[in-house]
Amino acid sequence: EVQLLESGGGLERPGGSLRLSCAASGFSFGSYGMTWVRQAPGKGLEWVTSVSDTGRSAYYGDSVRGRFIVSRDNSRETLYLQMNSLRPEDTAVYYCAKNSEWSPVGFFGPWGLGTLVTVSS
Amino acid sequence: YVLTQAPSVSVAPGQTANIPCGGNNIEVKVVHWYQQRPGQAPVLVLYGDKSRPSGIPERFSGSNSGNTATLTISRAEAGDEADYYCLVWDSSSDRYFFGSGTRVTVL
Repeated sequence: EVQLLESGGGLERPGGSLRLSCAASGFSFGSYGMTWVRQAPGKGLEWVTSVSDTGRSAYYGDSVRGRFIVSRDNSRETLYLQMNSLRPEDTAVYYCAKNSEWSPVGFFGPWGLGTLVTVSS
Repeated sequence: YVLTQAPSVSVAPGQTANIPCGGNNIEVKVVHWYQQRPGQAPVLVLYGDKSRPSGIPERFSGSNSGNTATLTISRAEAGDEADYYCLVWDSSSDRYFFGSGTRVTVL
């Protein structure tokens, strides 16, 4: 059974940094692309970033490009999201999800339960 | 790329709910659909316009034509109450786009 467990969320001040992790199990992690999606309180889903199986290829949403960096450690079966220059509008639950294939493109699921990031002074 | 969804749809138990997702010439794109029940993570209910993942009932079906993709829930049940989101990959911008979501109420 595929399991994804996000961690690293919390309260951070504007301009600060956080690193989220997503620990994967139940599938061949290094063979699949991975994705981060976020959801602000009471709002809809927003795609953040997707990365290929090797980590060499990644795409980013407009609102995070240049501030967030996705990476992965296939030996640890873990996906990361380095979040820099945080803004209040980055406040959201962050979900990681398994892609349908090796590339960043396709569909994704299942998803983890999410980790809450709050950016506030 | 903008995906337009109605904020809400109501359906009586046992009846059919149609959930549209509008986009410019969306028929040339591949549409995926997610269900999100309150307080839970999203779940994939349709991929590739109309294919169902294992475990998703046959009551869930999809179509994509012209400027509208549609998720159809037949014989609606109370457990279908949730927010539903459409998703596409736009190859011209190398980005994913979600629709704004439709809340389905079964009453």
